[in-house]
Amino acid sequence: NAGVTQTPKFQVLKTGQSMTLQCAQDMNHNSMYWYRQDPGMGLRLIYYSASEGTTDKGEVPNGYNVSRLNKREFSLRLESAAPSQTSVYFCASSANSDTQYFGPGTRLTVL
Amino acid sequence: QKEVEQNSGPLSVPEGAIASLNCTYSDRGSQSFFWYRQYSGKSPELIMFIYSNGDKEDGRFTAQLNKASQYVSLLIRDSQPSDSATYLCAVLSGSARQLTFGSGTQLTVLP
Repeated sequence: NAGVTQTPKFQVLKTGQSMTLQCAQDMNHNSMYWYRQDPGMGLRLIYYSASEGTTDKGEVPNGYNVSRLNKREFSLRLESAAPSQTSVYFCASSANSDTQYFGPGTRLTVL
Repeated sequence: QKEVEQNSGPLSVPEGAIASLNCTYSDRGSQSFFWYRQYSGKSPELIMFIYSNGDKEDGRFTAQLNKASQYVSLLIRDSQPSDSATYLCAVLSGSARQLTFGSGTQLTVLP
């Protein structure tokens, strides 16, 4: 099992460009999450999906959209990237909104 | 006030010593408590979880929970240089069952 996978691993964007971060899990988990991690700020929840077909905002949703494509996949979209969105993005999944397992992360730089 | 507080460190201990990491939380309704380890440039990795008051041991790691005082701690016995990492405390609370993370404590084990 690969666990949680994320693509791409690294990305550089210019201000105003758009992109989609992809996440997939093969553990048959119901819940999936997107976090961002900034120095000194810890992990902050952007959006989550408690089950297939549902999505909800987390602590810092502004500037992002998500899609729970199916039970395995949960994508995060930046419609118009801003320098403040420079961060490391982690996807996570859990069986029943409890213990979470993380993907390897995407390092995003917005110039 | 942050909901989950950790000393940012850095905390340095000599090899073979006990490392003690502490975390306090503000939500008395919190249900589950997690410790993650994060090596530099890597994703968080689950070490332990604890649900009930008292101690829970797993190898060299012991998690301690005191709900009355709203703190949870992680003890690492016989610390090794490979334990050098940032340790994240996470608390599950609320009807939405979201994890809230502390900012992490950076631990260095000196050979």
